[in-house]
Parts: sequence; structure tokens; C-alpha cells
Amino acid sequence: KAGVTQTPRYLIKTRGQQVTLSCSPISGHRSVSWYQQTPGQGLQFLFEYFSETQRNKGNFPGRFSGRQFSNSRSEMNVSTLELGDSALYLCASSLVAGQFSGNTIYFGEGSWLTVV
Amino acid sequence: AQTVTQSQPEMSVQEAETVTLSCTYDTSESDYYLFWYKQPPSRQMILVIRQEAYKQQNATENRFSVNFQKAAKSFSLKISDSQLGDAAMYFCAYRSALELTFGKGITLSVRP
Repeated sequence: KAGVTQTPRYLIKTRGQQVTLSCSPISGHRSVSWYQQTPGQGLQFLFEYFSETQRNKGNFPGRFSGRQFSNSRSEMNVSTLELGDSALYLCASSLVAGQFSGNTIYFGEGSWLTVV
Repeated sequence: AQTVTQSQPEMSVQEAETVTLSCTYDTSESDYYLFWYKQPPSRQMILVIRQEAYKQQNATENRFSVNFQKAAKSFSLKISDSQLGDAAMYFCAYRSALELTFGKGITLSVRP
């Protein structure tokens, strides 16, 4: 079956603009989480959604937001882009949320965002 | 909050040899899951192996195995018969109720 699909794969934005990234989870998966990866900070958790509800949010400013639709697809939005937002944004999906679910988290190929 | 520590930023191994990647974590929980992910140059995160904390038996997946020491909060990955395709960045991760916490990663190079 198809894996986690992220679009777009690559994009370049100008400082001050906003961007929306999309993620389609593996069929049947209801939990979607987002991570930011940069050389300096490594992999940092942004937020997780389950059944259209945000379960948790990482330590990021309010410019970072997300949502999940009834078909489990998710989008994340970054407004008023800053140079430091340049990163690889990874989306991941799992069957259900929570540590005791025991299910594995599968990642997409990521969306490369460059802010100039 | 949980923390995951990978103290070695880089390691190198000769093809066909065995290498062990270290990982320690800190948690107050008794039941949890641990993972090793591989990230090749394509940047796709690929699951290598997972371990349930309530299981005493160490997980094994073909050439990959772990040494899980719950009391010591240690979770190392052993790669046997290393292949050129094993060259990548490897991340240790802890699954909590609300998120997956990653270590800083270790870059593994394989010498032909």
C-alpha cells in the first residue's frame, strides 16, 4: 500500500510569506505528526493530530499551525516566514496515537522549505 | 520530559564487519517503545527496528539487533555484516504518549 505522501517536495519562499504543506497518511492511519529537521536543532516535534484533534504541540511559535481533515490528511501552515524556518519538514503517520498503542510511526519523504 | 542521547556524532565501519551504535534515554515511565530509524542521503526516515520496554527479549531484524538494558536506560543498535548501503544517519527515538523524541543522530560511514 502507498506510504506517507508529502507535497510539495521542494519549495522556495520569500521571507514574510506563508506556506502550506500537505501530508496524506498511510491508508487506515488516523494519527499524523509533523517534525522539523535542521542541521543545528536536529529533529523537533511540531504537533500531532488524531481524529481531527490536535493532541500535542511542540515548542514552536504560533506562526506554526496545522489541521487534520476527516480523511486523516493533514496540512501544516507557517505564516510570516523567517530565514530560520528553512528546514526539512517531515510528516509521519501511525494507526492510532499514544505510547501504548505500540504501533510504528512511518515517515514521508519530507518537504524541503527554503526561505530566502 | 523524556530525553534521548546519542553521544557519538560519527562512526565508521569496515564492510562486512560489525558496528554498535549507542543510545541512552531518560524517562520516569515504565512502559514505552524505542525505535531506531535510518535516514539515508535521500532523507527518507526508514524504520530499522523497534523494542517494547515490557519485553525482556532483545529485538532482531535480520542483520540488525538491539541490546536493550532497561535498568540502565540503554538501547544500542548492532549492525552485523555491514554493507555499503548501511551508510546513513541513524536516529534513536523514544515513543511517549504524545510525541516521538529523537536523539541527535549518528552518521555511519561504511568503508569498502
